[in-house]
Amino acid sequence: KAGVTQTPRYLIKTRGQQVTLSCSPISGHRSVSWYQQTPGQGLQFLFEYFSETQRNKGNFPGRFSGRQFSNSRSEMNVSTLELGDSALYLCASSLPRLAGGGNEQFFGPGTRLTVL
Amino acid sequence: AQSVSQHNHHVILSEAASLELGCNYSYGGTVNLFWYVQYPGQHLQLLLKYFSGDPLVKGIKGFEAEFIKSKFSFNLRKPSVQWSDTAEYFCAVTASGANNLFFGTGTRLTVIP
Repeated sequence: KAGVTQTPRYLIKTRGQQVTLSCSPISGHRSVSWYQQTPGQGLQFLFEYFSETQRNKGNFPGRFSGRQFSNSRSEMNVSTLELGDSALYLCASSLPRLAGGGNEQFFGPGTRLTVL
Repeated sequence: AQSVSQHNHHVILSEAASLELGCNYSYGGTVNLFWYVQYPGQHLQLLLKYFSGDPLVKGIKGFEAEFIKSKFSFNLRKPSVQWSDTAEYFCAVTASGANNLFFGTGTRLTVIP
């Protein structure tokens, strides 16, 4: 079974530009979450989408947005890029929640964004 | 809000030594707990998870972790490490049933052959 795929793997942008990152979840997974990983702040939750609806949101400015399509693929967008947005952006997918239990998230390889 | 503390930032061990990595979390409700590993150049992989039931959970590659509710801890252990265990280890917590993982800052493990 194919894992979570993310495109592109590497991206270089300049300040003020916008960027769109894509994530294809594992087949059958309907929940997609996005995380930002930086050396200073570590791994931080951005948002989660389930059935094309944002279900949860982390503490990031409105410049960070996302969406999910009917095939569960997801995109995240960052507008007006800042130097501090340079990071590894990770996507994770999971099956619907187990009854009375939790979810195991499977991570993709990430998109390395560099803002110059 | 939930938070996770990993007390060891960098651990250096010789092969065959025993490993214990600390993880403490803060959250008042029912939690799901995870340990993820990131090998050099690879993506995050799940080592083990705790949802409910037996507080001693076993994961892949000989790793285990014990959930101690009274101490808000979920320490990772391995009786004998190998060079191939060199990686960064992340503890994560979320409210039961939720998907917004809160990660610790990670512990870099270096195993010397």
